[in-house]
Amino acid sequence: ETGVTQTPRHLVMGMTNKKSLKCEQHLGHNAMYWYKQSAKKPLELMFVYSLEERVENNSVPSRFSPECPNSSHLFLHLHTLQPEDSALYLCASSFTDSHTEAFFGQGTRLTVV
Amino acid sequence: KQEVTQIPAALSVPEGENLVLNCSFTDSAIYNLQWFRQDPGKGLTSLLLIQSSQREQTSGRLNASLDKSSGRSTLYIAASQPGDSATYLCAVRPILTGGGNKLTFGTGTQLKVEL
Repeated sequence: ETGVTQTPRHLVMGMTNKKSLKCEQHLGHNAMYWYKQSAKKPLELMFVYSLEERVENNSVPSRFSPECPNSSHLFLHLHTLQPEDSALYLCASSFTDSHTEAFFGQGTRLTVV
Repeated sequence: KQEVTQIPAALSVPEGENLVLNCSFTDSAIYNLQWFRQDPGKGLTSLLLIQSSQREQTSGRLNASLDKSSGRSTLYIAASQPGDSATYLCAVRPILTGGGNKLTFGTGTQLKVEL
């Protein structure tokens, strides 16, 4: 148990579906992140929420929509995805302090069919 | 733009060997460097965090070093065991990325320790 919990662990969705990924952290952190991990590529940072405000959106298509209702919860809403969006989506949390480490969840394996 | 490279991409060793994984980064303006372990289909487990002012960190059989000026870090694993088999990822936190703990990752080294 890493203190960062993601649900669901696996998700298969059609291109016309709408689904949401959920992340919850129990570490008292004040920053949360979404990363995408595709095969043979480095993890890519998608979104950053610091103190519940979105502080970064790394040119992510609008079919991905994040939501951070409080410092413990983070969602990634998905709609009209493409097959190339199939990947492992990882949530992380940390303190905003520059010298602390980040902790990751187990990820959601997303397959778009 | 910060780029992180890990060599080798894959490594297979017999049980009991000591081994070194390498990580290099192009911009030395970093707050810290973090080593992670990832088992197949799973999330990342933090192994060691080295601050930019530190030279090394140790945890059990793991020792990580950092030479910020040359843009290099190594992860040393002593007396390797089959349970060490996993992908090891290196990530740096660049100074110029503002608030939060935004990490730039390498592609990892896939380690297999054989009986």
